[in-house]
Amino acid sequence: AQTVTQSQPEMSVQEAETVTLSCTYDTSESDYYLFWYKQPPSRQMILVIRQEAYKQQNATENRFSVNFQKAAKSFSLKISDSQLGDAAMYFCAYDNNNDMRFGAGTRLTVKP
Amino acid sequence: KAGVTQTPRYLIKTRGQQVTLSCSPISGHRSVSWYQQTPGQGLQFLFEYFSETQRNKGNFPGRFSGRQFSNSRSEMNVSTLELGDSALYLCASSSGTSGWETQYFGPGTRLLVL
Repeated sequence: AQTVTQSQPEMSVQEAETVTLSCTYDTSESDYYLFWYKQPPSRQMILVIRQEAYKQQNATENRFSVNFQKAAKSFSLKISDSQLGDAAMYFCAYDNNNDMRFGAGTRLTVKP
Repeated sequence: KAGVTQTPRYLIKTRGQQVTLSCSPISGHRSVSWYQQTPGQGLQFLFEYFSETQRNKGNFPGRFSGRQFSNSRSEMNVSTLELGDSALYLCASSSGTSGWETQYFGPGTRLLVL
């Protein structure tokens, strides 16, 4: 079974600084998708960034970027120039179209 | 502790039918949230139930409804199914106390509408 591990239950960052959230996963598949979702207390799931496993280039969306290490099965999220609105739960997810798995989440606090 | 369970795991329906999906949360958890996962739209929030009351709701039509029982088990119902309802439906449970606690996701129910 595929598992997704987020080893940091909580992280804190100063406004305008950079923070990296870790995610590792376990799979025997070669083609799959990886996601980072942001979830505020309202429960809405906001897709932050998506990475296709066959693409070597790391995905980037404005202040959000990933460090995708396929061989190491690592998929970390870097948030640059952190803003107060970035405070939320962040979930790492794996999807190979047949099965979807989520990490336990990392609670990010942004200090003004 | 047993994890979140969802039944059935797979379902095939035809347009116009209705369907009911079930989610049993982790023992002690009072919050159950439902999500729809499609390739094109990603993961979208449907609604959240806490102590038998709908506490949060996403932007889905009224054909999507849910309820929660006194034992925290939750059901989701979709009436008058459309082809676009084909998706993976996930539920997640949590203690529900703050909105910031960890959610635990079930394996999902994959619905195919023909």
